[in-house]
Amino acid sequence: DTAVSQTPKYLVTQMGNDKSIKCEQNLGHDTMYWYKQDSKKFLKIMFSYNNKELIINETVPNRFSPKSPDKAHLNLHINSLELGDSAVYFCASSQDGNNSPLHFGNGTRLTVT
Amino acid sequence: GENVEQHPSTLSVQEGDSAVIKCTYSDSASNYFPWYKQELGKGPQLIIDIRSNVGEKKDQRIAVTLNKTAKHFSLHITETQPEDSAVYFCAAFKNTGTASKLTFGTGTRLQVTL
Repeated sequence: DTAVSQTPKYLVTQMGNDKSIKCEQNLGHDTMYWYKQDSKKFLKIMFSYNNKELIINETVPNRFSPKSPDKAHLNLHINSLELGDSAVYFCASSQDGNNSPLHFGNGTRLTVT
Repeated sequence: GENVEQHPSTLSVQEGDSAVIKCTYSDSASNYFPWYKQELGKGPQLIIDIRSNVGEKKDQRIAVTLNKTAKHFSLHITETQPEDSAVYFCAAFKNTGTASKLTFGTGTRLQVTL
């Protein structure tokens, strides 16, 4: 079983559209994250949730809205997509957000045309 | 905030040789330093980590060293194999209570040639 699974794997859409990426973890972890990886492979944290509560919001535009219906799920909704949003988005989870290892999903490659 | 620098950005070695990737961090309060390997089309995967109360850790062909005074840590891969080819990321974790977070280095693309 995949520990951290995110869907879809690829997402191609036009500017101005709204899209969602879903993430689920079956590790029983309390903390979940969204990371953005740009074309130069730089990994930057976007959000962190601990037990459904928002912990970190790294100056991400408010067009990005994470939602955590329960601690096993952290979805990412993006409104009014822009060309610069094109990237690979990774979901991750960790036991407690306290220097415990992160487990990453396999990423969603978002292409905005 | 924490700043993690990683060198080199690309590294090419022959199969069987050793590879060394170096990172520096800025915040002396950081206390956990994981290393991740990212293969093409996949998410980063933890390969080894070290905590600030330890100077060195080894797991088969990979080892990590930490110099807290100099705020340096390094990944060493011995007897490299083609399957070691990937992008490697170092990271530094700082516990600030509720806003603890992991800051990644900029990555090293390792190519192991036959």
